Amino acid sequence: GENVEQHPSTLSVQEGDSAVIKCTYSDSASNYFPWYKQELGKGPQLIIDIRSNVGEKKDQRIAVTLNKTAKHFSLHITETQPEDSAVYFCAASTGTASKLTFGTGTRLQVTL
Amino acid sequence: DTAVSQTPKYLVTQMGNDKSIKCEQNLGHDTMYWYKQDSKKFLKIMFSYNNKELIINETVPNRFSPKSPDKAHLNLHINSLELGDSAVYFCASSPTPPGTSGVYYNEQFFGPGTRLTVL
Repeated sequence: GENVEQHPSTLSVQEGDSAVIKCTYSDSASNYFPWYKQELGKGPQLIIDIRSNVGEKKDQRIAVTLNKTAKHFSLHITETQPEDSAVYFCAASTGTASKLTFGTGTRLQVTL
Repeated sequence: DTAVSQTPKYLVTQMGNDKSIKCEQNLGHDTMYWYKQDSKKFLKIMFSYNNKELIINETVPNRFSPKSPDKAHLNLHINSLELGDSAVYFCASSPTPPGTSGVYYNEQFFGPGTRLTVL
């Protein structure tokens, strides 16, 4: 089955700096890669996703890149703000299965 | 106007008891899921239902039994609770059923979670 690895497990940045979280996946059939943000006491919230026919996608301060050859995808957050502090999860899914396989999460702390 | 809702938010119970968690979505989605998040924050799927039919059943003990009375509801019943069942349980839903013709993208929306504590 699919295996998703995520790094780093914790990340501390100063406000205004950029943050990068990286994931690798094992199943070459995976074609959908969402990123979720989980704030304390809440459920994961979808913040951005990318499909396998696209190499990069951007939404304001958030961008995701996908390298299908290397089976890597990354989340980039620019101009970080304290409200970006949360746990971020990457995930992968194949087109013929309904389950998402999640990475182990990255706790992002944005300090003033 | 909550999209995916769960009740209760907190559940504290004794070992050996039976309990249920309810989930409802008002997004008109066809597929619903139950996930378990352990103390290390690892998220793992347990079950998935498409239009009231079970389509995914991961390696979950038989003590866990999902029930979907209609496609907007997916409840989770747990028998003979054990200490290791303590976790946060999340319900989720997605708009597109699996196995449809063409490419399927699995965009899922999560509920707020139910924190289960077994004493």
